[in-house]
Amino acid sequence: AQSVSQHNHHVILSEAASLELGCNYSYGGTVNLFWYVQYPGQHLQLLLKYFSGDPLVKGIKGFEAEFIKSKFSFNLRKPSVQWSDTAEYFCAVNARDTGGFKTIFGAGTRLFVKA
Amino acid sequence: DVKVTQSSRYLVKRTGEKVFLECVQDMDHENMFWYRQDPGLGLRLIYFSYDVKMKEKGDIPEGYSVSREKKERFSLILESASTNQTSMYLCAISSGSTNTGELFFGEGSRLTVL
Repeated sequence: AQSVSQHNHHVILSEAASLELGCNYSYGGTVNLFWYVQYPGQHLQLLLKYFSGDPLVKGIKGFEAEFIKSKFSFNLRKPSVQWSDTAEYFCAVNARDTGGFKTIFGAGTRLFVKA
Repeated sequence: DVKVTQSSRYLVKRTGEKVFLECVQDMDHENMFWYRQDPGLGLRLIYFSYDVKMKEKGDIPEGYSVSREKKERFSLILESASTNQTSMYLCAISSGSTNTGELFFGEGSRLTVL
């Protein structure tokens, strides 16, 4: 079965610090990869996605993620975080499973950015 | 903009009660999903549907059922609520004939079972 592992459950950074959130998945076939974000009091929304092509993808608000196929990883990065980046971040993998294509989520990483 | 509306933002129910959670989309999307979100566990797929009257079990279907009588409406049913079903329930849709994994979420329904 597919699984998605996020390395950190809680991350606390100061503004302007660099961010990297780890994500690994276990599935050997073709995958679509996503990072979703949930700001306090808001619904989940797409941050960025990878389907194919350039393994370095750019999303909204200065975020980027790199797909490393050999490592089954899709880490999220931002060079300089802002207080408004405080949110919970979820890595997700979509792949074919019994019953069709499914999207499996990681446990989430809560990011708190200190002003 | 895609709009996914969940009928109840907050519910409090008693053990053994029947609970209906409704999700309505305003676009002609085929794929609809119900997840539950719990701290430290992320989102777990309960059921999904690719078409009217069609349903597939997700990873944690026990204790739940679903109904999709119309394309725009996907209901999650707890036949006999239990305290371990206290959670945030999220409805999501994806567009297109295949599920690429790009999901649009509703605001969630927070259910407390006493």
